Amino acid sequence: DAGITQSPRHKVTETGTPVTLRCHQTENHRYMYWYRQDPGHGLRLIHYSYGVKDTDKGEVSDGYSVSRSKTEDFLLTLESATSSQTSVYFCAISSGSFGNTIYFGEGSWLTVV
Amino acid sequence: QKEVEQNSGPLSVPEGAIASLNCTYSDRGSQSFFWYRQYSGKSPELIMFIYSNGDKEDGRFTAQLNKASQYVSLLIRDSQPSDSATYLCAVRGPTGNQFYFGTGTSLTVIP
Repeated sequence: DAGITQSPRHKVTETGTPVTLRCHQTENHRYMYWYRQDPGHGLRLIHYSYGVKDTDKGEVSDGYSVSRSKTEDFLLTLESATSSQTSVYFCAISSGSFGNTIYFGEGSWLTVV
Repeated sequence: QKEVEQNSGPLSVPEGAIASLNCTYSDRGSQSFFWYRQYSGKSPELIMFIYSNGDKEDGRFTAQLNKASQYVSLLIRDSQPSDSATYLCAVRGPTGNQFYFGTGTSLTVIP
């Protein structure tokens, strides 16, 4: 158990509505990530954070924003959800040390109708 | 060109056989390499990592790394039906902050 909690675990929302996914960690790791996973594309990085208020874009950041106001929380916001954002979203954490890997939360299944 | 490439499979092996999973990566500056297992509807879980050329063994699993060929593999000995899952190869990039994943290889172990 890597001490990661994602919420909500499942959500159905309508096109055009804002959605926020929350990732909470209990182990004070410096790095936090948001990935989405889609058939044929694998895991793709959306945004990541390397400290409080320090974030950077990944390869599929368009349409997403993030915030990290506390070490333990990393929020992913879809400002105006689209059907193409229907996906499974995984939060991950890493200490950042060489050799350390990343550990994933249980995932958030988002459906945009 | 994708950072990490895997044969998507599906790969089927009989119970007790050796399953061989392969992965190539594009960035020679990549630091370390990981194998994850993912069951349907679940999150990826780490099997093992390797960062030096050669073999690394952990129980029934052996990871092999060849940096000159930019190639990583995972061997699963004495395959069990419970090994049926999708296996993800991941690479830690040169900056150390980002991890890149292949699309995964689906493995089925037939009893």
